[in-house]
Amino acid sequence: AQSVAQPEDQVNVAEGNPLTVKCTYSVSGNPYLFWYVQYPNRGLQFLLKYITGDNLVKGSYGFEAEFNKSQTSFHLKKPSALVSDSALYFCAVRRGYSTLTFGKGTMLLVSP
Amino acid sequence: DAGVIQSPRHEVTEMGQEVTLRCKPISGHDYLFWYRQTMMRGLELLIYFNNNVPIDDSGMPEDRFSAKMPNASFSTLKIQPSEPRDSAVYFCASSLLSGGEQYFGPGTRLTVT
Repeated sequence: AQSVAQPEDQVNVAEGNPLTVKCTYSVSGNPYLFWYVQYPNRGLQFLLKYITGDNLVKGSYGFEAEFNKSQTSFHLKKPSALVSDSALYFCAVRRGYSTLTFGKGTMLLVSP
Repeated sequence: DAGVIQSPRHEVTEMGQEVTLRCKPISGHDYLFWYRQTMMRGLELLIYFNNNVPIDDSGMPEDRFSAKMPNASFSTLKIQPSEPRDSAVYFCASSLLSGGEQYFGPGTRLTVT
């Protein structure tokens, strides 16, 4: 079965520092991987996806993610965090042909 | 496009009452998904449609839950009768491609007292 794991419930980082939010996956076949962000009282917003091609995927708001097949990881990164990046981040993997399986989410807190 | 539209944004009802949540997907999107989000269980897929046809409703928790999509621009999720444990945020999402990125609505926060 396709699944993703987000090992950290919360990540704390100071503004201006690089941030990483971790995600590992378990799939049969080629993985289709996604990152979403949820701000308070809002729906999930799509950030980026990996289907094939370059292992470094660039997305919205300066975020990027690195696909690592040997480590079965798809970590979300940003070179310089902003206080406004504070939100709940979800990793997801395609399940079957049409649906996504989401991780439990990681809360990112960026301090001024 | 205005994105996925959901109504109401907040719903407070008493146990035993019928609740209807509404969703308008992004125009041209063939897939529509209903999710439920709680602190305890995270984000759960309830049901999804393709071209207005329900494809997988295995996530619907009980017979009290039902969903319809009478046309490409409208879907409903109904709970009858509602119970306190149904309290959650319900999201609707749509996508253009099979297995592609999904676009979420703002959600409906349901409180059943």
